[in-house]
Amino acid sequence: QSVLTQPPSVSGAPGQRATISCTGSSSNIGAGYDVHWYQQLPGTAPKLLIYGNSNRPSGVPDRFSGSKSGTSASLAITGLQAEDEADYYCQSYDSSLSGYVFGTGTKVTVL
Amino acid sequence: QLQLQESGSGLVKPSQTLSLTCAVSGDSISSGGYSWSWIRQPPGKGLEWIGYIYHSGSTYYNPSFKSRVTISVDRSKNQFSLKLSSVTAADTAVYYCARLKGSSSAYYFDFWGQGTLVTVSS
Repeated sequence: QSVLTQPPSVSGAPGQRATISCTGSSSNIGAGYDVHWYQQLPGTAPKLLIYGNSNRPSGVPDRFSGSKSGTSASLAITGLQAEDEADYYCQSYDSSLSGYVFGTGTKVTVL
Repeated sequence: QLQLQESGSGLVKPSQTLSLTCAVSGDSISSGGYSWSWIRQPPGKGLEWIGYIYHSGSTYYNPSFKSRVTISVDRSKNQFSLKLSSVTAADTAVYYCARLKGSSSAYYFDFWGQGTLVTVSS
């Protein structure tokens, strides 16, 4: 059981905006540790999508954006496209567990 | 471009030791500033960090694996390895190797291998 909680699923029509939340606590996100996001397309390895709360690696479209506030973080996808259908995971560090932790994962469906 | 490739036994019997290797190409595993990690994902479930080895050779493991896990590095082959002992069916998962990058309070996995499925079954 993960210490970072995400909604199991999020959906939206093409072109719409989707938002995924990642809720933590005072021992991880609230302690000041950064949040990172990964996209996992069906049958493939996770791919880094956002690092350091809001930074995009080279090649990631600017439709993807991240933010962090208090004990939570969010990933927003604007202008949803069919190719965005995937599982998304947040990741941070937890001082109580003394290790890196991932969120429970969110499946994004483009209607 | 950095590439990571896992290899090892895809079927392990209960109570035995799981052994996997991650071959790194495109960069030296000894170059400073990075750690080399193992992460797993049980079928249909989420991601779980197992541990990492720093370029200096120091290791750090997820406490939930207690004393079952060992990560080592072979600099001559530019690869690192995972051993997980006393496996049970609960250890059945896709195992990924990944590079851990960052500083201070911001460490993340920027490159991943394609993953390899390990099934624990008699």
